[in-house]
Amino acid sequence: AQSVTQPDIHITVSEGASLELRCNYSYGATPYLFWYVQSPGQGLQLLLKYFSGDTLVQGIKGFEAEFKRSQSSFNLRKPSVHWSDAAEYFCAVGAGGTASKLTFGTGTRLQVTL
Amino acid sequence: EPEVTQTPSHQVTQMGQEVILRCVPISNHLYFYWYRQILGQKVEFLVSFYNNEISEKSEIFDDQFSVERPDGSNFTLKIRSTKLEDSAMYFCASSEAGLTNEKLFFGSGTQLSVL
Repeated sequence: AQSVTQPDIHITVSEGASLELRCNYSYGATPYLFWYVQSPGQGLQLLLKYFSGDTLVQGIKGFEAEFKRSQSSFNLRKPSVHWSDAAEYFCAVGAGGTASKLTFGTGTRLQVTL
Repeated sequence: EPEVTQTPSHQVTQMGQEVILRCVPISNHLYFYWYRQILGQKVEFLVSFYNNEISEKSEIFDDQFSVERPDGSNFTLKIRSTKLEDSAMYFCASSEAGLTNEKLFFGSGTQLSVL
């Protein structure tokens, strides 16, 4: 069965600093990988996804993520964090090679200090 | 951007009562889903629905749960006899296509509290 681990429950960074949120997955085949963001009172918004091809994927809001098969990782990065990036971030893997049934991690709550 | 709408945003019910959570997916979408998130835990898949039938369901989705698309716009999740452990945030999602879809659109959720 597939699983996703987000080792960091809570991260605090200063505005303007770089950010890396960790995600490790367990999946038997080539995974479909996603990062979602949830702001308070909002639904889950897709930041970026990886299905195949270039292992460095660009997303919205200046985020990027790199798929590393050898490390079973899909870490999310942003070079300069803005206060509006404060939210909960979820990594997810598509089960069964589809993009419809997702297995999520427990999430990482990002706090941004001014 | 189009959005998935869920009502109510908060629902409080007594244990043993039936609840219906409502969702209006994006109008041209064909695939519909329910996920839930118990406080402090992972977002979990419950069920997917296509062409008026369940495509896939998790072990969580037992006989107490049912889904329905009663008309052309709504997608509902019914819990027949709620239990304390059903307290969670329930997310509806929809997508234009299934197997090859790249994007699920999620609603903002219904917080269900079972007392």
